[in-house]
Amino acid sequence: DTGVSQDPRHKITKRGQNVTFRCDPISEHNRLYWYRQTLGQGPEFLTYFQNEAQLEKSRLLSDRFSAERPKGSFSTLEIQRTEQGDSAMYLCASSLTERDTQYFGPGTRLTVL
Amino acid sequence: GENVEQHPSTLSVQEGDSAVIKCTYSDSASNYFPWYKQELGKRPQLIIDIRSNVGEKKDQRIAVTLNKTAKHFSLHITETQPEDSAVYFCAAGGSYIPTFGRGTSLIVHP
Repeated sequence: DTGVSQDPRHKITKRGQNVTFRCDPISEHNRLYWYRQTLGQGPEFLTYFQNEAQLEKSRLLSDRFSAERPKGSFSTLEIQRTEQGDSAMYLCASSLTERDTQYFGPGTRLTVL
Repeated sequence: GENVEQHPSTLSVQEGDSAVIKCTYSDSASNYFPWYKQELGKRPQLIIDIRSNVGEKKDQRIAVTLNKTAKHFSLHITETQPEDSAVYFCAAGGSYIPTFGRGTSLIVHP
């Protein structure tokens, strides 16, 4: 499968716990994006990377959220001290360059109890 | 920041009819307008996009129109089929980081 992959697909955690999600973009895609989607809403931009550099962060990304793309390939999104309001689908997307189509991964559904 | 409004939230049509979904945006600097289709439990998939230097784009049964003066753009699906049933999202943005609308649930009745 040469598409964007995400792991895990589902995560259930208790409030206050830390969680980490992984995204593997399409090979050679320079741009990698993270979005959050809640029921009945469109994806909301969180942050994006150009290779290993994190270039922009939404104000939605509180201090509890951190993202990395250490080698310019896969990326991780960590949420510390999870809250019930963090429950959502976390989507990753990648594109070859800034002008190219963004391809989405299947998402990680987070449920915070 | 950019604000995207999408209407209607639900659209029900008979197979073979046309469907039109409309979006407005607020930031005149936006220059990229993609449309995504998301089936239940699946990832959003790009179906068509348009850039600000073009007023209309067509791909088989799907067309998108853009009116930059009025800051609105629309998705047109002709000869709808049951497999077109899904949630459709419009988006608008500059630097190719789009702001998404809230989605339109399209239901095509056979």
